[in-house]
Amino acid sequence: QKEVEQNSGPLSVPEGAIASLNCTYSDRGSQSFFWYRQYSGKSPELIMFIYSNGDKEDGRFTAQLNKASQYVSLLIRDSQPSDSATYLCAVKGNTGKLIFGQGTTLQVKP
Amino acid sequence: DAGVIQSPRHEVTEMGQEVTLRCKPISGHDYLFWYRQTMMRGLELLIYFNNNVPIDDSGMPEDRFSAKMPNASFSTLKIQPSEPRDSAVYFCASSLGRTEKLFFGSGTQLSVL
Repeated sequence: QKEVEQNSGPLSVPEGAIASLNCTYSDRGSQSFFWYRQYSGKSPELIMFIYSNGDKEDGRFTAQLNKASQYVSLLIRDSQPSDSATYLCAVKGNTGKLIFGQGTTLQVKP
Repeated sequence: DAGVIQSPRHEVTEMGQEVTLRCKPISGHDYLFWYRQTMMRGLELLIYFNNNVPIDDSGMPEDRFSAKMPNASFSTLKIQPSEPRDSAVYFCASSLGRTEKLFFGSGTQLSVL
């Protein structure tokens, strides 16, 4: 079992729709959860982080965490073509190691 | 702050040659990470340092890979000898604190012919 799992996609949504990206992790001791966006040929950039169970909203982005189910998700409302990228879920445990999932490629079609 | 700085941006070398990748973390950050990214394996953690001390190098693929952090503002990742399967993008990243967010450099695109 991979430590952090994501569906590689691609996930295709029409412009203006809600994109839902999901991630599961195996280490119950994980403390911090991150979503990175990576445009083709660029480095990953942090867009959201969440530490506690529940929802965290930042503009069009909402991160959701359920530690009991070991599940993290990212919702993107009013998706725009500029949101087309690969979204990487990352999980950090007590050791400080940040482990990434394979990433989900999102395509937002005009 | 200039962010995490990596050099070179691109490196093309021949099999068997030594390759050295360089990284300058964000000033004040106490964690430094080296990652490798390929299409097949995604983003893999190779090694990380805390306060210049290597903490976990279990991701280093072989003895051909070595990493050092002689001071808080500089780290190197060396491959000797290089092989075509080492071709990948190598990212350096730093963070302040154990659970805080990571900031990535622009990466080094390595091609071993």
